[in-house]
Amino acid sequence: GESVGLHLPTLSVQEGDNSIINCAYSNSASDYFIWYKQESGKGPQFIIDIRSNMDKRQGQRVTVLLNKTVKHLSLQIAATQPGDSAVYFCAETVSADRGSTLGRLYFGRGTQLTVWP
Amino acid sequence: GAVVSQHPSWVICKSGTSVKIECRSLDFQATTMFWYRQFPKQSLMLMATSNEGSKATYEQGVEKDKFLINHASLTLSTLTVTSAHPEDSSFYICSVAGNFYEQYFGPGTRLTVT
Repeated sequence: GESVGLHLPTLSVQEGDNSIINCAYSNSASDYFIWYKQESGKGPQFIIDIRSNMDKRQGQRVTVLLNKTVKHLSLQIAATQPGDSAVYFCAETVSADRGSTLGRLYFGRGTQLTVWP
Repeated sequence: GAVVSQHPSWVICKSGTSVKIECRSLDFQATTMFWYRQFPKQSLMLMATSNEGSKATYEQGVEKDKFLINHASLTLSTLTVTSAHPEDSSFYICSVAGNFYEQYFGPGTRLTVT
């Protein structure tokens, strides 16, 4: 769900290590989830998505895990690189929210990932 | 995905003036666009949903008379911040709705009101 006014948690990792970024959502009706990466002063970039009928999806160096029982989402980044340093947001949407148009996205509060060389 | 641009990338205006931000979809027919606001170190807050040729739908707490949205074509939506005040200083980001649930984001516009 929305997280207005909350400041970002941070995660620092060494280059080459794996990173795990977590996200809790509140709306049990949400059925589509997306992870975005946002670099400083830029708009969000799509990383990976997952539908509620799945519990795991893999991309290039990234894996998203969905646990609907506890309403938890995680993003795993393998062999983290300095270029991965950014803020990572999870976003959720409810397909029933669409009507005749696409559903609105609700962003989590984000996590600042810093990768040290 | 769609390529989305915003103009200007940053703007400084005086309190009480109005400023217009443009969001363009360069290679995708943007039937639906979204406008977000982001304060430093905070998440994106959806302000409004903009549909081509119709009135925008504003989120609760967003003043429609202050944040004027026009979406007159499939390639352009504009956000006008009227009578801007320092508390309106923020990072404004637009997005274009894709064919499914995805959204393609613009690079954002940094507004500073002095």
